[in-house]
Amino acid sequence: LAKTTQPISMDSYEGQEVNITCSHNNIATNDYITWYQQFPSQGPRFIIQGYKTKVTNEVASLFIPADRKSSTLSLPRVSLSDTAVYYCLVGDLGNTPLVFGKGTRLSVIA
Amino acid sequence: SAVISQKPSRDICQRGTSLTIQCQVDSQVTMMFWYRQQPGQSLTLIATANQGSEATYESGFVIDKFPISRPNLTFSTLTVSNMSPEDSSIYLCSAAGVLNTEAFFGQGTRLTVV
Repeated sequence: LAKTTQPISMDSYEGQEVNITCSHNNIATNDYITWYQQFPSQGPRFIIQGYKTKVTNEVASLFIPADRKSSTLSLPRVSLSDTAVYYCLVGDLGNTPLVFGKGTRLSVIA
Repeated sequence: SAVISQKPSRDICQRGTSLTIQCQVDSQVTMMFWYRQQPGQSLTLIATANQGSEATYESGFVIDKFPISRPNLTFSTLTVSNMSPEDSSIYLCSAAGVLNTEAFFGQGTRLTVV
């Protein structure tokens, strides 16, 4: 499974766009990139998943360059409720379990 | 989507005893997993719960300490055996479909061993 590297923490003010970058230099051809969000005292929650280029849903956008060695999760106009830990995971979609890295602790400030 | 219910949500246990955590999914899923999470830390995979066969354990976790059952496609249990204070942690159940596109997690069981 490809190892991921993310910033340990980030701070942002409400209303700003937040971009969290994840490095995965040894990503394999069959690997997808998936981001999860975890609030205190809750299990992680799926945010977005992609293979290449750009993916957008109602919550976030995911940007993946052509070499796929990194990816950027973009959260538009964050609010206080977006304060959470964000995990970047890389792996294929077969019968393999998710392996979590250290994640990025995002603190949104009023 | 799938909704996962874990029981108990929390417990305080005496060292040397065992606790069984139950995980119920509201729909049939292909894969179920058990994780452990220390406060402020990331999730560590304990094992994959295989339906009808022995669980697949990750390095550092053994069946004698963490026996797992999965009698059907919607239910699994994790037992933490012969507990010590080092077993104090949050234990999370997870489930996913055949392509593992999106995994769902329970709220976790907060275990304190005294």
